[in-house]
Amino acid sequence: DTAVSQTPKYLVTQMGNDKSIKCEQNLGHDTMYWYKQDSKKFLKIMFSYNNKELIINETVPNRFSPKSPDKAHLNLHINSLELGDSAVYFCASSQDSPSGGGRANVLTFGAGSRLTVL
Amino acid sequence: DAKTTQPNSMESNEEEPVHLPCNHSTISGTDYIHWYRQLPSQGPEYVIHGLTSNVNNRMASLAIAEDRKSSTLILHRATLRDAAVYYCILSSGGSYIPTFGRGTSLIVHP
Repeated sequence: DTAVSQTPKYLVTQMGNDKSIKCEQNLGHDTMYWYKQDSKKFLKIMFSYNNKELIINETVPNRFSPKSPDKAHLNLHINSLELGDSAVYFCASSQDSPSGGGRANVLTFGAGSRLTVL
Repeated sequence: DAKTTQPNSMESNEEEPVHLPCNHSTISGTDYIHWYRQLPSQGPEYVIHGLTSNVNNRMASLAIAEDRKSSTLILHRATLRDAAVYYCILSSGGSYIPTFGRGTSLIVHP
């Protein structure tokens, strides 16, 4: 069983469309994350949720809206897609929250979802 | 936040040990040193972490300098599957979210 699974793996769409990427973890972790890896290969944190509550929200356009229906799922919805949104999006999870004594916190990542906006 | 410095790339031959260095001269006393790696077309993968003492696990060893200003990730016998980008990350600040830099791209020759 995949610990952190993301769907879809590949997504090609037109500018202006709305799309979602889903993430599920079966590790029983309390915290989930979304990272974005751009064409230059830099990985940047976007959001973090702990027990369904948003705890980290980096400078991300309002077009990006994460939703956590339960602590095992963290979905990413993107409105009005732009060319610059093309990237690989990684979901991750961890047992501890970033602030809850998490300096030894270990993240488990999914395989990524490659989004291409044409 | 404390920063890390790693070489852009390193090369190794298969079956040989690999020592991947990381400098973190501004590390604070409570910062852990974490290593992740990212294989081509995959998500980052946790490798190892430590605070002060050297650490070993099934994937690698982590050697931490006595002054903690540097550390070395040791792969005891490199395989082709170890070709990846290796990231050295410090857990700095009151709220730790791994921040990935450029890392070291490890090339393993058969």
